[in-house]
Amino acid sequence: SQTIHQWPATLVQPVGSPLSLECTVEGTSNPNLYWYRQAAGRGLQLLFYSVGIGQISSEVPQNLSASRPQDRQFILSSKKLLLSDSGFYLCAWSVARVAGEQYFGPGTRLTVT
Amino acid sequence: GQQLNQSPQSMFIQEGEDVSMNCTSSSIFNTWLWYKQDPGEGPVLLIALYKAGELTSNGRLTAQFGITRKDSFLNISASIPSDVGIYFCAGHPNQGGKLIFGQGTELSVKP
Repeated sequence: SQTIHQWPATLVQPVGSPLSLECTVEGTSNPNLYWYRQAAGRGLQLLFYSVGIGQISSEVPQNLSASRPQDRQFILSSKKLLLSDSGFYLCAWSVARVAGEQYFGPGTRLTVT
Repeated sequence: GQQLNQSPQSMFIQEGEDVSMNCTSSSIFNTWLWYKQDPGEGPVLLIALYKAGELTSNGRLTAQFGITRKDSFLNISASIPSDVGIYFCAGHPNQGGKLIFGQGTELSVKP
């Protein structure tokens, strides 16, 4: 069966510091991968998605970037965090080329102070 | 851009009551999905619908893909305290990989 992991689970970072959140998927090959941000427990906002290694599509211009160095690894980064980057970050995967279900990881709670 | 209107935004019910929530769109969707999110966790897929008119059950949960392909509803029968959480509808407006999400329905169940 497939599983998706995210770490860290929680993170408190000062403004201006860098960020690296990691997501890995097990039990599947060539998945589509997604990063979402959720503010105040509602409203999932799609940030990035990837259909393959090195292929990243950005949905919202902002202070974040994403990379996919390996087939089942997706990384969300920032060079300098802003207060507005605080939120709950969710990684998700889906079967490639199928407009179907997305499966979410447990999330990372980021607080920028 | 495309949006999903999910209602109600919140519900406060007594244990044992039935619950109904729905999502509507001004455009056609090819897929409807329903998720539940517990506090501090990622959303969990409850039901997936792929055909107009499709009615699917998962235990006490029942969801339907509207005939017009512009709406979907989720019913929960005989609610229990562990049903508490936020329920999201989501849909694919086309064959692409991006999902459109509703704003969620927050369900509270009083024992």
